[in-house]
Amino acid sequence: AQSVTQLDSQVPVFEEAPVELRCNYSSSVSVYLFWYVQYPNQGLQLLLKYLSGSTLVKGINGFEAEFNKSQTSFHLRKPSVHISDTAEYFCAESGGTGGFKTIFGAGTRLFVKA
Amino acid sequence: DTAVSQTPKYLVTQMGNDKSIKCEQNLGHDTMYWYKQDSKKFLKIMFSYNNKELIINETVPNRFSPKSPDKAHLNLHINSLELGDSAVYFCASSLGSKTYEQYFGPGTRLTVT
Repeated sequence: AQSVTQLDSQVPVFEEAPVELRCNYSSSVSVYLFWYVQYPNQGLQLLLKYLSGSTLVKGINGFEAEFNKSQTSFHLRKPSVHISDTAEYFCAESGGTGGFKTIFGAGTRLFVKA
Repeated sequence: DTAVSQTPKYLVTQMGNDKSIKCEQNLGHDTMYWYKQDSKKFLKIMFSYNNKELIINETVPNRFSPKSPDKAHLNLHINSLELGDSAVYFCASSLGSKTYEQYFGPGTRLTVT
């Protein structure tokens, strides 16, 4: 069955430090990959998506992600985080064998400290 | 302009009651979804409609019934509420499926006492 694994449930980091949030997907067929962010008491909003083409995808708020087919990974990175980046981050996959469904990972809580 | 709206934002009710949550999107999307997010932030798809047709119906109790009167609306009715139904329920919409990102509403926090 399709699955998305976010390897870290929580990532504490100091302000202005770089961060990487890790995501692995399971599908062996073509998939579409997404990163969403959820700020406290809000719905999810799209950070970036990979459909095809260049494996390095740039998103909003300075985030980027790299699609790696051989490692079935789609890790999210930011070179310098701000306090305002504190939020829950979700990796998601659609396409694959899941049909119409988008499968979400369990989320990674990014906590940026001053 | 609110893209995806849900009402109510908070819902506190007692076990055994029946309640509804309403969702509307003004994005012109043809696919809408209901998700349940538990206290550990895990997001689980419940239902999805495409052009008013049910296309995803996950394993949820039949006490939950979605209804899509038109493409812009997807409501969720819950009968005989139980303590375990307490969660945040999110409505979302997308232009299509698979390749299109989803736009989420602000959520409805349901508390069953």
